Amino acid sequence: GAVVSQHPSWVICKSGTSVKIECRSLDFQATTMFWYRQFPKQSLMLMATSNEGSKATYEQGVEKDKFLINHASLTLSTLTVTSAHPEDSSFYICSASVLGGPRSYEQYFGPGTRLTVT
Amino acid sequence: GESVGLHLPTLSVQEGDNSIINCAYSNSASDYFIWYKQESGKGPQFIIDIRSNMDKRQGQRVTVLLNKTVKHLSLQIAATQPGDSAVYFCAEIYPYGGSQGNLIFGKGTKLSVKP
Repeated sequence: GAVVSQHPSWVICKSGTSVKIECRSLDFQATTMFWYRQFPKQSLMLMATSNEGSKATYEQGVEKDKFLINHASLTLSTLTVTSAHPEDSSFYICSASVLGGPRSYEQYFGPGTRLTVT
Repeated sequence: GESVGLHLPTLSVQEGDNSIINCAYSNSASDYFIWYKQESGKGPQFIIDIRSNMDKRQGQRVTVLLNKTVKHLSLQIAATQPGDSAVYFCAEIYPYGGSQGNLIFGKGTKLSVKP
């Protein structure tokens, strides 16, 4: 149980274009989803937290107009990188937490999406 | 032995030996800690967790020790296997403030197991 998927697993896009990454909780409902970014040989850095039906909360230094997050349902959140630049190339990972579970703080992680901007 | 690379500390061990991975956490008020394993190109995988009211917790082949006095966590892996090769991250949860409930990840340690 508690499986989280991401699509696509990898994507290459040209500079200036936008790319959308999907995060789905497959067998549970997730009120909260998290988006992380990870550069090579570095740790995961939280970008934003999204709750179903409300606006995402962005971490300091993360541009909300550049990284658009939509959490339209309890099983789907999307991250859109707008006007992508080579410095946006990174590994993007989502996670989801379970509503009302005995360990509501526990996050289940997706497999990640490798974004390369050329 | 343990060495610090450009960004990621690396620990090399022989197959069958025990591994100890260390982590210093940042907030003395954090009340929950988790160890994750991340294989190359994959998302983090939960290994074991511990609450701040405990100082030791054991799982299958893994043990987590918590020393709140010096804000230190360790992960012990018994009889290390090649499949244990990965990057290991500790994470803490802040109980209050702007990051309440959010996972704050440590820098990570790369474990390499030599056959």
